[in-house]
Amino acid sequence: KAGVTQTPRYLIKTRGQQVTLSCSPISGHRSVSWYQQTPGQGLQFLFEYFSETQRNKGNFPGRFSGRQFSNSRSEMNVSTLELGDSALYLCASSLSVNRGGARETQYFGPGTRLLVL
Amino acid sequence: AQTVTQSQPEMSVQEAETVTLSCTYDTSESDYYLFWYKQPPSRQMILVIRQEAYKQQNATENRFSVNFQKAAKSFSLKISDSQLGDAAMYFCAYRSPMEYGNKLVFGAGTILRVKS
Repeated sequence: KAGVTQTPRYLIKTRGQQVTLSCSPISGHRSVSWYQQTPGQGLQFLFEYFSETQRNKGNFPGRFSGRQFSNSRSEMNVSTLELGDSALYLCASSLSVNRGGARETQYFGPGTRLLVL
Repeated sequence: AQTVTQSQPEMSVQEAETVTLSCTYDTSESDYYLFWYKQPPSRQMILVIRQEAYKQQNATENRFSVNFQKAAKSFSLKISDSQLGDAAMYFCAYRSPMEYGNKLVFGAGTILRVKS
């Protein structure tokens, strides 16, 4: 079974631009979460989508948004990019969000490295 | 809010030897999930092991095992017979059953270096 895929793998943008990152979950997985990883702040939760609805959101400004499609693929958008948005953006998928332990284990993609100049 | 602390920024181990990575967490919940993830230089996060708080038995996956001390809120990872491929950043993570979804709260990570 194919793992989580993220595109693009690398991206260079300039301040003020916007960017869209894509994530395709493991086949059959319906929950997709996004995390930002930086040397200073570590790994921080951005948001989670399940059945095309945002279920949870981290403490990030409104410039960060996302959506999920009916095939569970998800996109993350960052508008008006700032230098501090330079990071590795990780996507993770899981079977569901129901209580049940193993079904909620998250499997991560390889990440998209974003550099903002 | 829950917090996860990894007090060892960096650890070293000789190949074939055993190393233990520390993790403590702060929570008022009685039921939760704990994870160890490995992030090699490729940056791909790989699940190493998971533990449900209601299970008293420590989880084990081949050379990887945990020492889960619920009262002390401690969740250490033991790697036996260390291999060069174990060199990576290791993250401890917490998931609350009370918060909707699968959000993970991560520690700062421990870099593990394996010497040949």
